[in-house]
Amino acid sequence: ETGVTQSPTHLIKTRGQQVTLRCSSQSGHNTVSWYQQALGQGPQFIFQYYREEENGRGNFPPRFSGLQFPNYSSELNVNALELDDSALYLCASSSQQGNYGYTFGSGTRLTVV
Amino acid sequence: ELKVEQNPLFLSMQEGKNYTIYCNYSTTSDRLYWYRQDPGKSLESLFVLLSNGAVKQEGRLMASLDTKARLSTLHITAAVHDLSATYFCAVISNDMRFGAGTRLTVKP
Repeated sequence: ETGVTQSPTHLIKTRGQQVTLRCSSQSGHNTVSWYQQALGQGPQFIFQYYREEENGRGNFPPRFSGLQFPNYSSELNVNALELDDSALYLCASSSQQGNYGYTFGSGTRLTVV
Repeated sequence: ELKVEQNPLFLSMQEGKNYTIYCNYSTTSDRLYWYRQDPGKSLESLFVLLSNGAVKQEGRLMASLDTKARLSTLHITAAVHDLSATYFCAVISNDMRFGAGTRLTVKP
């Protein structure tokens, strides 16, 4: 059974650019959630996808968008990058509405300069 | 809006001692999670608590949930250095909300 994989692991972008982060969910999981974790803080919920539909969204602007594919993998897109977008972006997959827990990927460290 | 509060935020303890981390949350939820995070790493699932009165133990860590008091505790027994990490609780309402984390340092 494979876990959650995220790519890339590290990324440096310039303010104003766009970025796409990728996540492959754990086998058997149909729900993917994305989180932003700034240094020294707890993860903040961005949004969740369930069976290719957005299933909840946190307090993030529309320039944060996402997709889920038929194989349940997912993308997080961020447009018009700002310096404050620098963070660790975590993807988590789950099944059965999280009753068995969420499995987190190793994250993508995004630095905006 | 769901709020999740952990305390303490920083905890320094000696090896062999016991301590409890508290997690309070503001709205009804019947699912609570505890995670561990090592510096620069992702989140490792420790416990999933699904019902009032749930208690789970793994090694020196024991977690409990009181949904009526909206409180979960993570108890550390006879701490060892390897337990040094940041511990997060997270609660499901419409989405999963995390506490700010408790940074635990266990000293010899």
